[in-house]
Amino acid sequence: DGGITQSPKYLFRKEGQNVTLSCEQNLNHDAMYWYRQDPGQGLRLIYYSQIVNDFQKGDIAEGYSVSREKKESFPLTVTSAQKNPTAFYLCASSPVGGGGRGNSPLHFGNGTRLTVT
Amino acid sequence: AQSVAQPEDQVNVAEGNPLTVKCTYSVSGNPYLFWYVQYPNRGLQFLLKYITGDNLVKGSYGFEAEFNKSQTSFHLKKPSALVSDSALYFCAVRDMGEAAGNKLTFGGGTRVLVKP
Repeated sequence: DGGITQSPKYLFRKEGQNVTLSCEQNLNHDAMYWYRQDPGQGLRLIYYSQIVNDFQKGDIAEGYSVSREKKESFPLTVTSAQKNPTAFYLCASSPVGGGGRGNSPLHFGNGTRLTVT
Repeated sequence: AQSVAQPEDQVNVAEGNPLTVKCTYSVSGNPYLFWYVQYPNRGLQFLLKYITGDNLVKGSYGFEAEFNKSQTSFHLKKPSALVSDSALYFCAVRDMGEAAGNKLTFGGGTRVLVKP
């Protein structure tokens, strides 16, 4: 079955450590996204990528970094500079990239819940 | 800039009764509008979208939504709610005129609780 795989499902880290969240898709989608979900705040865009080797900052990129070396993969690193990293992180993809029509829905993974203590 | 408002944090409805989840949006141009549903500790699942054409859009699981341009609204509806519809619902918008790819802006979510 095609889909988006996020791993791990739960992740625990000590404050001050960097941590990388994995996102892999086999849908052959051009565009990939990272969202952060906090209670009562909906989803906020961290980074997105419309094509391999290119990505753009979203609304809350500070303290995060990404790479897009392969079409299938879009890992997110939560750095020690992120002041409040505990959250539910969602990766998504869509078949539209490069400033296309934008009317395709996003396909989401099942998320990674990160807890930093 | 584009934005979405979901004015109700939670909606309670009895099983079998109609369900409505409200959404209003703001864009500078014409909107693409989407509804998603989220079950606990899962990702979002696409329900339906409005792109153009008929203002009444039908989607998955018996849901529909009505686009109202004058009121800038896109309320989600289901004629007869099921207990299994209990979940978190998100409205999302994208301005057609925005050049920066397929970025969606999400509302804060509305929790739906359907009681037997």
